[in-house]
Formats: sequence, C-alpha cells, structure tokens
Amino acid sequence: EAQVTQNPRYLITVTGKKLTVTCSQNMNHEYMSWYRQDPGLGLRQIYYSMNVEVTDKGDVPEGYKVSRKEKRNFPLILESPSPNQTSLYFCASSLPNQETQYFGPGTRLLVL
Amino acid sequence: DAKTTQPTSMDCAEGRAANLPCNHSTISGNEYVYWYRQIHSQGPQYIIHGLKNNETNEMASLIITEDRKSSTLILPHATLRDTAVYYCIVRTYSGGYQKVTFGTGTKLQVIP
Repeated sequence: EAQVTQNPRYLITVTGKKLTVTCSQNMNHEYMSWYRQDPGLGLRQIYYSMNVEVTDKGDVPEGYKVSRKEKRNFPLILESPSPNQTSLYFCASSLPNQETQYFGPGTRLLVL
Repeated sequence: DAKTTQPTSMDCAEGRAANLPCNHSTISGNEYVYWYRQIHSQGPQYIIHGLKNNETNEMASLIITEDRKSSTLILPHATLRDTAVYYCIVRTYSGGYQKVTFGTGTKLQVIP
C-alpha cells in the first residue's frame, strides 16, 4: 500500500531533550516536506526536500533541522525542543510535476 | 505563492451541494489553484486542482472565474463524512518544488 509513515505518532518530552521524528514513504517520491499545524494558524511548512541531499527552508524553519540521506526518509530533528514547538506535525511527499502531496498520519508532540 | 482568503466556517445540509469560495486576487498567470481537505486531525487529502478551466473529478468540481481572482469548490451532494477543514492554495506548477502555504481554511460542517 502506498503510504507515508511517521514515528512516533505521539510524543511527550521535556525542554532541551533532543528528539527525532521519522518520516518514510514507499512511493519513490523525490519531494518531501514537513509541516506543523497549530490552532488558528493552519498548516505551515517547516522544511522541504527536492531530492537526496537537497533541502530548503519553508516558512517556519527556526528550531528544526532535517536531513535527506535516502530518498525514502526525511527525518525532522529538534536539537533542543522548547514548549513553543508543541504542535501537530505532518510529513508529506510528492512526485515532481505531480503536485498532489500525500500526507502522513501526523505526530502530536508535547514539549514540557 | 499567492495569498488566499476563505471564510472561516460554513454549514451545509446533508444531501445538498456545498459551495466553498476562495479569493486569490493576486494570483499570477502560471499559478494553479489547489484544494485539500483535512478530516479531524488526519493528514490533509488532495481533492482537485485547476489553472483556468473548470475541473471535475469523482470528489468535487472546481469553478474558476474568468479573471482567475476567485474560485469555488463544489461538493455536489454533501454527506456527513465531508465534514472537514477545506484548504484552498495557489502555487506554481513547474518542475521545481516551492514553499507551500495552506492558510487556515474553511471549516465545513455538514448537518443531518
């Protein structure tokens, strides 16, 4: 089944404790991206990647890192999480010239 | 990407057509209009997209005004399962990948 998976789905952590949210897709998509969703602010793009080793900032990249060492994986790294990064996070992927994005199920993060 | 404006919320009776408007007055000639929806807190789901001609698929119809400054998503026979937040976005369709801004969308409530 074609899908985007994220792990973990739920995470509670404390300020400053590094964490990684994984994202994997099995559709051989070149493009992947990360979004966060907050009440009243909609979906905002954090980072995106056009292919392996090619990444760029979205609208809200501060406090996040990404890497794209393999085509299928696009982890989101919070080196020193803060409470304002408490949010619902979505990973998405798509093919070039096919602008339909496929979204993962979301990761709900709470930073205490 | 051009900014879009949507009503915050709308109600629609079950079985009736749901017409969701979107204003994108600053859209440029090479920007497409896309619609996604998000049911509860699941990952957004692609619905339809178009450039200047009206489009229809198994889920919905998209009507774009002649000047392309606004569009309407039509769900012809709304069901309770269509209750969701609907996002209208505009973006350039090219081989490259760009930042994507979803905005806050329209919360559609389908009423029995």
